[in-house]
Order: sequence, then C-alpha cells, then structure tokens
Amino acid sequence: DIQMTQSPSSLSASVGDRVTITCRASQSISNYLNWYQQKPGKAPKLLIYAASSLESGVPPRFSGSGSGTDFTLTISSLQPEDFATYYCQQSYSIPRTFGQGTKLEIK
Amino acid sequence: QVQLQESGPGLVKPSETLSLTCTVSGGSISSYYWSWIRQPAGKALEWIGRIYTSGSTNYNPSLKSRVTMSLDTSKNQFSLKMSSVTAADTAVYYCATIGSGYSLGHWGQGTLVTVSS
Repeated sequence: DIQMTQSPSSLSASVGDRVTITCRASQSISNYLNWYQQKPGKAPKLLIYAASSLESGVPPRFSGSGSGTDFTLTISSLQPEDFATYYCQQSYSIPRTFGQGTKLEIK
Repeated sequence: QVQLQESGPGLVKPSETLSLTCTVSGGSISSYYWSWIRQPAGKALEWIGRIYTSGSTNYNPSLKSRVTMSLDTSKNQFSLKMSSVTAADTAVYYCATIGSGYSLGHWGQGTLVTVSS
C-alpha cells in the first residue's frame, strides 16, 4: 500500500493568512493526488484533483502543486469558512489511501 | 448532478454482518464505479473498496476477507456487506463515486454504524 503522510497534523492560523499543507507519498504517484476538505459532521468535499486542477465551484484561493512524491495545498488568504480538516488521497493504485488529515483551526 | 444516500441499520452486534445500501439519483449506476469509505470518530478516512458496473471489485486487502460489494441496477443501488464485525468497525460509512480525474467527486452524507451488544 502507498502511505500518505501529511504535515502538519494541526495548524492554527488567522483570517487572511496564507497557509500551506504538505502531503508526501511513500512512492511516486505521478500527479494522481487529490485534496478534500471536511467539516464536522459532513462528507469530504473535493477541492483539487490531479495534484493541481481546481474542482469546479471551488474558490481560486485554493491551489495545489507537486508531482512524484511531494505535494502541497495552499490557501492564499484564509476565510472563516476554510477552517476545517484537509485530507490528501492518492488515486495511483489500489488500495486508495488517504493522509491522516490536517486540522486547520482559528488562531 | 449525481446524489448518493446511504441507508442501513445504525447498530450491529459483534460477530454479525453489517449491511449498507447506497441509493443513487441523478445518474445511472450503469456507468463508472462505486466506492465505500469509512471514518471512525476523530480518525482519518479509510477506503474499503469499489465495484464496477461489470460487477468486478477491488477491495482493501486489510478488509478483503470480510467485505462483499454488489450492484442492483434495477434499483440504482449498490451495497456493502462486512462480516464478523467488531467494535473496531464502528465508524461513519460513506458511499461515493468518481469525480474529476480519478478523484472521489460525489459523496453521500454518511451513516453511523455502531458495533455493540
């Protein structure tokens, strides 16, 4: 199985901050990397697919980059509704695997 | 826009079989593939497996011996069965399907299954 490791596990930030979350795969996954946002009691929501493609309807303050084993999700200017948990997921091989999550909290 | 809705018992006894159904609306189950994911309280997401419209399946090796997925095209539903459950199987169970790229773009709202006597 491909192991996905996110850092940090939690992050405190303020509205307007620029934040970056990192995801590392245990082997190369090309660009088969997706990012999801999950709010308490809700299903995950797709933000970024194929490492850097913005899902329709997702605000452009969200961006993704990377290839191979190292990936990042950046939020350029945090908004109140962005405080949530973020997960990366590889879609390169079976079984699909997720990172452990990064909880983004208000400072 | 495809929509998914999980249903099934919220309480299952240890050693028994968990059975969940996902009803698909706004799209045909005769296309693509259909997945199950679970999430214990306060923990990360775990991919359980997926079923193609042909009926072929991919399961997580960690659960493969206990999991069976099936399709009912007449009802536009797909199902999950997990046998010999323990407390470790207590989780919110989500059904989902493919979105942009090879992502999981559409999810059900999730259903909590508790394993307890």
